[in-house]
Amino acid sequence: TQLLEQSPQFLSIQEGENLTVYCNSSSVFSSLQWYRQEPGEGPVLLVTVVTGGEVKKLKRLTFQFGDARKDSSLHITAAQPGDTGLYLCAGAPGNQFYFGTGTSLTVIP
Amino acid sequence: DVKVTQSSRYLVKRTGEKVFLECVQDMDHENMFWYRQDPGLGLRLIYFSYDVKMKEKGDIPEGYSVSREKKERFSLILESASTNQTSMYLCASSPSWGGATDTQYFGPGTRLTVL
Repeated sequence: TQLLEQSPQFLSIQEGENLTVYCNSSSVFSSLQWYRQEPGEGPVLLVTVVTGGEVKKLKRLTFQFGDARKDSSLHITAAQPGDTGLYLCAGAPGNQFYFGTGTSLTVIP
Repeated sequence: DVKVTQSSRYLVKRTGEKVFLECVQDMDHENMFWYRQDPGLGLRLIYFSYDVKMKEKGDIPEGYSVSREKKERFSLILESASTNQTSMYLCASSPSWGGATDTQYFGPGTRLTVL
């Protein structure tokens, strides 16, 4: 059992569509991060959310931290082919860092 | 820019061989990490180090060891490679232990195949 479960595991959509990716846990996190990994590269940090209920926007990407600090979501508006990649949530409930199971997004032109 | 480099992008080894994966970071970061990445499982922490010669086990340390003799270099060692260690290995570094508010900077990964 993974500490951070992401859904869906795979997502294939047309350019211009909206989508939401979820990151869920039974544990409470002081903060959560989202990373994006492009093929052949390591993950790169997109955002850190630190307050329950917090919403952060990064251009067309909207990140939300759940009120109970056990979950987070990533919403992409009008997806572009450049959004294609593996999206990973991550957090440290204690002194060890955990990554989620990942959502592989493909945006078709 | 922070740069984390890994010694090989692709590696093919035989069962039973001793395998060394090297990672170097150029930003004087305190912490370094080794993960393996498998489809559907995300990244799983093998070992991390918060200082020279210091190491801590992660979630899946069995079959692996690490070495950190210099601050900028963190090595992952597979003492006797097995086929179930075929995976993508990612190295990362972070400036200091700030928990989940600390950014981890990753290398490009080494895809290891054990035959």
